[in-house]
Amino acid sequence: DAKTTQPPSMDCAEGRAANLPCNHSTISGNEYVYWYRQIHSQGPQYIIHGLKNNETNEMASLIITEDRKSSTLILPHATLRDTAVYYCIVKSNTDKLIFGTGTRLQVFP
Amino acid sequence: KAGVTQTPRYLIKTRGQQVTLSCSPISGHRSVSWYQQTPGQGLQFLFEYFSETQRNKGNFPGRFSGRQFSNSRSEMNVSTLELGDSALYLCASRSDQTNTEAFFGQGTRLTVV
Repeated sequence: DAKTTQPPSMDCAEGRAANLPCNHSTISGNEYVYWYRQIHSQGPQYIIHGLKNNETNEMASLIITEDRKSSTLILPHATLRDTAVYYCIVKSNTDKLIFGTGTRLQVFP
Repeated sequence: KAGVTQTPRYLIKTRGQQVTLSCSPISGHRSVSWYQQTPGQGLQFLFEYFSETQRNKGNFPGRFSGRQFSNSRSEMNVSTLELGDSALYLCASRSDQTNTEAFFGQGTRLTVV
């Protein structure tokens, strides 16, 4: 499974877009990019995933570069409840999720 | 649809004892995975079960074991508990289709004293 690199922490003002970057330069052709988040002491929550096309759902948008070596998770209008640790994961066809250290996003009023 | 249910939510055990944790997946999900989360090591994959068979295993000692029943419910067991086994143990279930999302339970917080 490819390794991911994320900044340890980020701040975002409430109501603004939060853009969380992730590098996955060793990703291979059949590996998907997944994003999860974990609010303190709760189980991780699925956000979005994609292979090579950009994806959007009710929670966020996922932008994957053309070479697939990096991606950005976008929360369009961050709220205080979006404060959490965000994990970017590259997953092969196995069911194993390899979590890194993630990005701690702090949304402030 | 009910989510992933883990029991108990909290547990305190003594060194040397053994413990069994339970996970009920989302109805219709046959894949169940277990993870350990500690402040020092983060979230680490323990093992995955599918249709009562262990399909993947992480790098944990043999004291950590699991099983899955015909109704897809899963249990994990830790024998000869050590202080370092204190952690949040998370269970995730997934549908049969590949590359779908995993849904996590709220976890069982185990404290070994």
